[in-house]
Amino acid sequence: QVQLVESGGGVVQPGRSLRLSCAASGFIFSSYGMHWVRQAPGKGLEWVAVISYDGSNQYYEDSVKGRITISRDNSKNTLYLQMSSLRAEDTAVYYCAKQLSPSGSYYGFDFWGQGTLVTVSS
Amino acid sequence: DFQLTQSPSFLSASVGDRVTVTCRPSQDISSYLAWYQQMPGKAPKLLIYAASTLQSGVPSRFSGSGSGTEFTLTISSLQPEDFATYYCQQLHSYPSTFGQGTKVEIK
Repeated sequence: QVQLVESGGGVVQPGRSLRLSCAASGFIFSSYGMHWVRQAPGKGLEWVAVISYDGSNQYYEDSVKGRITISRDNSKNTLYLQMSSLRAEDTAVYYCAKQLSPSGSYYGFDFWGQGTLVTVSS
Repeated sequence: DFQLTQSPSFLSASVGDRVTVTCRPSQDISSYLAWYQQMPGKAPKLLIYAASTLQSGVPSRFSGSGSGTEFTLTISSLQPEDFATYYCQQLHSYPSTFGQGTKVEIK
């Protein structure tokens, strides 16, 4: 069965960096684009970033451009989110999500991890 | 960027009611829209993709319709397990965006 397990969250001071990981299993990881979506406490969902199946293309939400980098290691079936210059407004649960279709993200995300909480606070 | 206006933000309904949620993109997104259900403290669950295709395993009381700039999610007969928050998402282009959410509560 498909499993996505995030890790790496925690409390971090403003301006510092953090790397999140998402370990994938139960599907051919190297065939699917992968996404990060976040949710601030008590708020709605916010799409953050996507990486293509082979890592050659990435896109980001405007507010995180230049501060966040999405990457993947297909040999380890793992997705990453490197976050730097963290701000209070980056405080959220971060979910990794798998595209339903290997041919593109047009059809939504059919599997999600349980999420990892990032708290940016001094 | 494509903005999504989802309405209502909140609705109170009874078991057995027919419920409709609307999502209006700021530009034509063809049929590149998905709907999700989220329970408190849980990850979202895909209900509908490509505007009207029911995801595998989702009960048939859920349906989606629309294209272009107006979409609806309908629950034909609300069940106790359907009380949750629902989100639309546009997948026409990046950055992808979600609607603000609709919380469905028990009347």
